[in-house]
Amino acid sequence: KAGVTQTPRYLIKTRGQQVTLSCSPISGHRSVSWYQQTPGQGLQFLFEYFSETQRNKGNFPGRFSGRQFSNSRSEMNVSTLELGDSALYLCASSLVESNTGELFFGEGSRLTVL
Amino acid sequence: GESVGLHLPTLSVQEGDNSIINCAYSNSASDYFIWYKQESGKGPQFIIDIRSNMDKRQGQRVTVLLNKTVKHLSLQIAATQPGDSAVYFCAENRNNAGNMLTFGGGTRLMVKP
Repeated sequence: KAGVTQTPRYLIKTRGQQVTLSCSPISGHRSVSWYQQTPGQGLQFLFEYFSETQRNKGNFPGRFSGRQFSNSRSEMNVSTLELGDSALYLCASSLVESNTGELFFGEGSRLTVL
Repeated sequence: GESVGLHLPTLSVQEGDNSIINCAYSNSASDYFIWYKQESGKGPQFIIDIRSNMDKRQGQRVTVLLNKTVKHLSLQIAATQPGDSAVYFCAENRNNAGNMLTFGGGTRLMVKP
């Protein structure tokens, strides 16, 4: 069974640009969450999608957005990039709807903003 | 790896010894507490969880203890192996909050052969 797949794995952008990251969850998983990981702030929740609907949203500015498609694949977008957006962006999927917190993470997309 | 912070608390143990990683949480309304392991270059990997109405849960070589009185969570790893070297995160979740986890800062476990 394939794990969570994130693309691209690495990317470099400049300030002001925008970026789209993609996540393919484990087959059958309908919940997809996104987290930002930085050395300074650690792992921070961005948003969660379930059945194409945003179920939760973290405390990030509106420049961060996401969506989920009917096949459960998800994308997140960051517009008007800032230096502080440099981070590892992790996607996680979950099968169960009981919300225990057991998530399956991908290896992440490492974004560097210059 | 370098993605999880340069100044994490570090626990160094000898191979074969038991390890105890501690975590303090803040939200008394949390329903689930979870431990994740993150190896260099990889995403976090689920280890074990515990519901708030329990105080102990055991898995394979791991035990999680929950003390709600002092809002403290610990992960015990028996017979620590080199493959256990990683950064360990505790996380908390509320049952009615979907999968919106709040993570702790992490502890780096180094196992000496």
